[in-house]
Amino acid sequence: QVQLVESGGGVVQPGGSLRLSCAASGFTFSSYGMHWVRQAPGKGLEWVAFVWYDGNTIFYADSVKGRFTISRDNSKNTLYLQMNSLRAEDTAVYYCAKDRTGSGAFEVWGQGTMVTVSS
Amino acid sequence: EIVLTQSPGTLSLSPGERATLSCRASQSVSSSYLAWYQQKPGQAPRLLIYGASSRATGIPDRFSGSGSGTDFTLTISRLEPEDIAVYYCQQYGSSSYTFGQGTKLEIK
Repeated sequence: QVQLVESGGGVVQPGGSLRLSCAASGFTFSSYGMHWVRQAPGKGLEWVAFVWYDGNTIFYADSVKGRFTISRDNSKNTLYLQMNSLRAEDTAVYYCAKDRTGSGAFEVWGQGTMVTVSS
Repeated sequence: EIVLTQSPGTLSLSPGERATLSCRASQSVSSSYLAWYQQKPGQAPRLLIYGASSRATGIPDRFSGSGSGTDFTLTISRLEPEDIAVYYCQQYGSSSYTFGQGTKLEIK
């Protein structure tokens, strides 16, 4: 079955960096767009970034543009999120999600990884 | 950026009742790009509806979506205790994705 497993979360100081990974299995990873979505503690969902199946088209939310970089390695079936210049407001559970092609929807979600930005 | 406003904030109903959740957009949304999600406590969200009215794989037919333009609705026809969750609508447009703030569904 389709499975997404995030890793790389942790506690980091403001201004620091962290790289998240999302290991995909159960589907042809190289054929699908992928997203990162986050959820601050007790809050709603916020889309963060999207990368097309071949890595050639990328979108970011304004809140992370210039600080975060989404990428993928189709040979390793893995999605990444490089997060730099982290702020307290970036504290959240970060989910990776598989795009449902042609619908703009997030078809399958991982279990999430927690990122805490605190001194 | 399109803003999605969900109502009510909290809905409290009894098992077997019908739940109607609303999602209103600040500007017109293509029906092809409107989705609904269910998030149970401590879990990741799950896709319920995409394309405004198409059920995702494995979703019971108690869940249905409708609407167009700026007004969309998620209906749960016969509530079950397991439907306790927060429900989010979401749209895609102009290289950006936004979510509503969520409706919390409580079962009496």
